[in-house]
Amino acid sequence: QKEVEQDPGPLSVPEGAIVSLNCTYSNSAFQYFMWYRQYSRKGPELLMYTYSSGNKEDGRFTAQVDKSSKYISLFIRDSQPSDSATYLCATPDTGRRALTFGSGTRLQVQP
Amino acid sequence: GAGVSQTPSNKVTEKGKYVELRCDPISGHTALYWYRQSLGQGPEFLIYFQGTGAADDSGLPNDRFFAVRPEGSVSTLKIQRTERGDSAVYLCASSLKLRGLDEQFFGPGTRLTVL
Repeated sequence: QKEVEQDPGPLSVPEGAIVSLNCTYSNSAFQYFMWYRQYSRKGPELLMYTYSSGNKEDGRFTAQVDKSSKYISLFIRDSQPSDSATYLCATPDTGRRALTFGSGTRLQVQP
Repeated sequence: GAGVSQTPSNKVTEKGKYVELRCDPISGHTALYWYRQSLGQGPEFLIYFQGTGAADDSGLPNDRFFAVRPEGSVSTLKIQRTERGDSAVYLCASSLKLRGLDEQFFGPGTRLTVL
């Protein structure tokens, strides 16, 4: 079992839809949870992160962590075609600097 | 400002050849990371440098892979006797962790194809 599992997609939604992207993780010691966005043929860029449990909102994006169920979510409101990308959840390995990534969910927002 | 740059952007080589991939981190970033991303997968950690030294090389798959950062800035990932399974995008990232979260900034990657 991989330490971070992610729905592979692809996910296709119409413009303006609410998008829900999800990951699960296995190590209860993980503390930071990140969402990276990766456009085609580009490197990942950090979108937002949360520490421990709870919600964090940034514009149209909301990140949510439920440590009791080891579940990570990213919600995108009023999705735009420019949101079309691969979304990767990630967490730093315990006591290390290396990031463990999920496999990524490819999102396509149709205009 | 300048981000992380990687050269070449694409590299095609034949099985058994030696390749070098270069990473130029963000100026002043002390930490540098190499990851490998296969098609349809997330990046997988290879090695992490703090300054000139490899602080964690636990992700290197075997002794054909080696990386250096002699002056604490530019890094080179070296792959000997390349195999078709080495084909992937090799990503470099750099960071300057002060406290709290270590935000890693990624370059665009080098797409390696081994024929």
